[in-house]
Amino acid sequence: AQKVTQAQTEISVVEKEDVTLDCVYETRDTTYYLFWYKQPPSGELVFLIRRNSFDEQNEISGRYSWNFQKSTSSFNFTITASQVVDSAVYFCALSEAGGYSTLTFGKGTMLLVSP
Amino acid sequence: SAVISQKPSRDICQRGTSLTIQCQVDSQVTMMFWYRQQPGQSLTLIATANQGSEATYESGFVIDKFPISRPNLTFSTLTVSNMSPEDSSIYLCSVEGGQGIAETQYFGPGTRLLVL
Repeated sequence: AQKVTQAQTEISVVEKEDVTLDCVYETRDTTYYLFWYKQPPSGELVFLIRRNSFDEQNEISGRYSWNFQKSTSSFNFTITASQVVDSAVYFCALSEAGGYSTLTFGKGTMLLVSP
Repeated sequence: SAVISQKPSRDICQRGTSLTIQCQVDSQVTMMFWYRQQPGQSLTLIATANQGSEATYESGFVIDKFPISRPNLTFSTLTVSNMSPEDSSIYLCSVEGGQGIAETQYFGPGTRLLVL
């Protein structure tokens, strides 16, 4: 069975601080996808990134970066120089690769960025 | 990515009544899913809406309580039947498989439901 653990329930930072959101996963699949989604207070779920299990290269997109380490089954998300608009709940998710597979979500981490 | 809309965006309902939520996509998609997010919780998959056949429900969810329709490749509805306060949640549809949206689920804006 698949499982995603986001141990941090809530994180509070001050604007311009860097923050890392942790995600640890469990799966028996040899190929899989990992995802991060952002849910601002308005409620919609915004797709941020998808990572294939065979691609361990880290990814950077503006102030966002992702560190995928298969050896530790982790897919951590770092926001550099955080801003108030980054305040949201962030979900890490996992699915089997190939075909159409259901998503297994973590419980989410609420990030509060204060001015 | 596809543009996904949901109606209504929010509603307040009385217990014992039913509410139908619509999900519309601006392009044809292969898969449509319905999720429930209870207050302060993560997302739970209710069912996969199959075009032209009955929906596939996850454990703990039944067709009598959550009937789903999917008449074509761009539209689906979820009905929450005989509602109770425990049904107060955000209901989200998601889509996958279409032009530019392969192997990733994209979500609609959600429907906030409060049952009194």
